[in-house]
Amino acid sequence: GAGVSQSPRYKVAKRGQDVALRCDPISGHVSLFWYQQALGQGPEFLTYFQNEAQLDKSGLPSDRFFAERPEGSVSTLKIQRTQQEDSAVYLCASSRGGDGKTYFGPGTRLTVT
Amino acid sequence: AQRVTQPEKLLSVFKGAPVELKCNYSYSGSPELFWYVQYSRQRLQLLLRHISRESIKGFTADLNKGETSFHLKKPFAQEEDSAMYYCALSSTSGTYKYIFGTGTRLKVLA
Repeated sequence: GAGVSQSPRYKVAKRGQDVALRCDPISGHVSLFWYQQALGQGPEFLTYFQNEAQLDKSGLPSDRFFAERPEGSVSTLKIQRTQQEDSAVYLCASSRGGDGKTYFGPGTRLTVT
Repeated sequence: AQRVTQPEKLLSVFKGAPVELKCNYSYSGSPELFWYVQYSRQRLQLLLRHISRESIKGFTADLNKGETSFHLKKPFAQEEDSAMYYCALSSTSGTYKYIFGTGTRLKVLA
């Protein structure tokens, strides 16, 4: 397939707005990850799904962040009441699971003004 | 604490010179180590992983458990090697979620 895709690629939100970021993983990939990459930093883990089950959400920075993958394919990362510190690139990644070979999407750059 | 440290934010070398990008880690257990690369305007992609012992694009990395290091090396840098390089680790079991370093920008000068 075409690889992991993410939309939108760029999002500008006013402080306090809610945003939803979409990830389409590679077809058949069981594992799906979200990472947050702030400017000048490496990606930081947010959450992990195995199929539709969210098995690890230890990296979500606050209860304003919520992720779902209801049918085990497409995933949405939602951020409520955005703050300036939420400005970052949000990366989605997927893998078949088990072998650890992970493929990253192009990212969504979120800017909160 | 589990951490990956890349001490250099920027490394500039001349074309044809040897390159070494440093990576140190701390982890309780036996991690798997990776190098990821991001070329300009492209997505993050796997360069190599220590268990495969491959040489990709002339790059190699040896896991040194005693020094907890996984430095990336290439004997002769090429201009097309200019990119952002991230060292990462994951558990050898479970989710394979990554802990990334802060990255090193490699600039290869003509």
